[in-house]
Amino acid sequence: SQQGEEDPQALSIQEGENATMNCSYKTSINNLQWYRQNSGRGLVHLILIRSNEREKHSGRLRVTLDTSKKSSSLLITASRAADTASYFCATDEAGGSYIPTFGRGTSLIVHP
Amino acid sequence: DAGITQSPRHKVTETGTPVTLRCHQTENHRYMYWYRQDPGHGLRLIHYSYGVKDTDKGEVSDGYSVSRSKTEDFLLTLESATSSQTSVYFCAIKKGGQGPNTEAFFGQGTRLTVV
Repeated sequence: SQQGEEDPQALSIQEGENATMNCSYKTSINNLQWYRQNSGRGLVHLILIRSNEREKHSGRLRVTLDTSKKSSSLLITASRAADTASYFCATDEAGGSYIPTFGRGTSLIVHP
Repeated sequence: DAGITQSPRHKVTETGTPVTLRCHQTENHRYMYWYRQDPGHGLRLIHYSYGVKDTDKGEVSDGYSVSRSKTEDFLLTLESATSSQTSVYFCAIKKGGQGPNTEAFFGQGTRLTVV
């Protein structure tokens, strides 16, 4: 069954605006990862946040993790048309076999 | 791209025929995965491998088998293809072992259509 669930399913914004996507999950985790998928391509890893971390930054990306609420958010600041893609969260369950379990994704469209 | 190659990239096959998809890696990583991606479902794990001849089932393994006779190759076989197996199939690896804090790297995918 799906572990992570992204919200919203689709997001449409203008270039320069910030984009925020949320991920909720069901079980205790070792870490949570965010991936990007451009149309027709494979997934590309963006950022990994460990269960003992609360916030992490990478360039224009900011990820937060709230283990008490079993949720994470991905913020893309100053979005660009090239950020148009689908974004997925994935979790490695605590005590599990460290297999990434994915949500259904958020489709982001950034209009020039 | 982490040295992952999937073949074929596209395939059309008839219902009832066997189909084998290949995932090849060049970096000798131990852990390899097969996922399928369908609209509305995201990625779902089919099978995974933690070494040569060591494999296990994932969430949606019915109708699929795998083999790993060499570190670099992980084969996914549809025993008798059905239309419900029309999908995009992704292979992934984990670098640095199966530790709890490693990310996955994906191949470019195989688009399979069963008619």
